[in-house]
Amino acid sequence: AQTVTQSQPEMSVQEAETVTLSCTYDTSESDYYLFWYKQPPSRQMILVIRQEAYKQQNATENRFSVNFQKAAKSFSLKISDSQLGDAAMYFCAYRSAKVASGGSNYKLTFGKGTLLTVNP
Amino acid sequence: DVKVTQSSRYLVKRTGEKVFLECVQDMDHENMFWYRQDPGLGLRLIYFSYDVKMKEKGDIPEGYSVSREKKERFSLILESASTNQTSMYLCASSFRVSGNTIYFGEGSWLTVV
Repeated sequence: AQTVTQSQPEMSVQEAETVTLSCTYDTSESDYYLFWYKQPPSRQMILVIRQEAYKQQNATENRFSVNFQKAAKSFSLKISDSQLGDAAMYFCAYRSAKVASGGSNYKLTFGKGTLLTVNP
Repeated sequence: DVKVTQSSRYLVKRTGEKVFLECVQDMDHENMFWYRQDPGLGLRLIYFSYDVKMKEKGDIPEGYSVSREKKERFSLILESASTNQTSMYLCASSFRVSGNTIYFGEGSWLTVV
C-alpha cells in the first residue's frame, strides 16, 4: 500500500518570502500522480498543483512550484512571494496511474497535512 | 465550474441515531468518494464508488455504509452514530480516467453527543 508522509505539522513564513513544504511517499509503482491540495479555514479543499510521475519537468502554477525527485520519492511544494491568502492546511496526495478492475486505483492517499501560517 | 455539494454543513446527532450525509455532483463524474478528516490524522478514505450501485471499502469503513442509486448522488450512512464518529466528512468526485483531478465539497461537520 502506498503511504504519504508530511514531516512538518506546522510551518510559518513572512509575507513576500518563500517557503517549502516537504512530502515523501512510498510506492512500488512506476507510474502515478502526485498532488498538493490547499484547505483554507473555509474548509473547501482546492487543488494547487499536480505532477505526473512520467514527466521529468517540475510542475509550476504561478507562485507555486514543485521539486519532484522520483528516485528519492520526494515531492516538495515551494510557495514564492507568500501572501496572507496562502495561509491554510496543505495536503500532499498520491494517486496510482495503473488501470485496475473496479475502482481501487482511483482513490487519493493523503499525508497528514502541514499547517502554513503567513505572518504580515 | 465543478460543483460538489454536501447538503449539510453542520449536524448534531445523538448516539444511536441513524445519520445520512448527502453529496451531489454536477459534472457527470463516475467516481465519488467519502473521506473523514480528523486533526493529526489527515484525510482517510471511508468508501468510494466508481459507478452507480458500485462501491468499494476504503481504509476505515467500519460503522459506515454508502448508497449510490444515481450517478450524481452518493450518500454516507451511519447506521448507529457513536461519539467516535464526531468528525469532518468530505465528499469528492472525479472522472474515471486515472489522472483526473478529484474535486471536493465544502465538508460536513458532524457532532455526535
